[in-house]
Amino acid sequence: KNQVEQSPQSLIILEGKNCTLQCNYTVSPFSNLRWYKQDTGRGPVSLTIMTFSENTKSNGRYTATLDADTKQSSLHITASQLSDSASYICVVSANKLSFGAGTTVTVRA
Amino acid sequence: DVKVTQSSRYLVKRTGEKVFLECVQDMDHENMFWYRQDPGLGLRLIYFSYDVKMKEKGDIPEGYSVSREKKERFSLILESASTNQTSMYLCASSFPLTASNQPQHFGDGTRLSIL
Repeated sequence: KNQVEQSPQSLIILEGKNCTLQCNYTVSPFSNLRWYKQDTGRGPVSLTIMTFSENTKSNGRYTATLDADTKQSSLHITASQLSDSASYICVVSANKLSFGAGTTVTVRA
Repeated sequence: DVKVTQSSRYLVKRTGEKVFLECVQDMDHENMFWYRQDPGLGLRLIYFSYDVKMKEKGDIPEGYSVSREKKERFSLILESASTNQTSMYLCASSFPLTASNQPQHFGDGTRLSIL
């Protein structure tokens, strides 16, 4: 069983709307949690990295939250744009990196 | 701007062939990684290297080997390609992961098909 579970597997939203992606993990001990964006045909690109002591971090219209007690993280996309269409990958760092399977976001005009 | 370059975007090989995938980074990173990415499974670590000539097995090393003769270059070798090795292969590099604010930088991947 994967130690990093992402939901939903995929979602479709209209341009300009907000959405939230979820990441639950069982990895322990926890070092940091990362969110990556992967455009089709490209490699993943780092959006945010949060350590144990951080509970929110923003990168433009992307805001990640972390609850280390419940082992949950979310990535919120505000005022979505067509360029936000991508896969979003949650990665938890302990003594190694554990990758979620990703959430595919499609933004429609 | 940081850059990880993979030698081929698309590659088609035949069963039994020896296949080389090359990766070069220009950031002077100590760590380099090879992953494969399959639908629904996420990225799975094949091998990583934390220094020149050093290598460690990842989660799925069977059927693969690696070479790191220079700090900037990390090669993945499929000794005898099989159809179940058809996949997207991603190379990444980073400073030591113990530096918790350091992300991995990824190349754009090689989509390998074994016929």
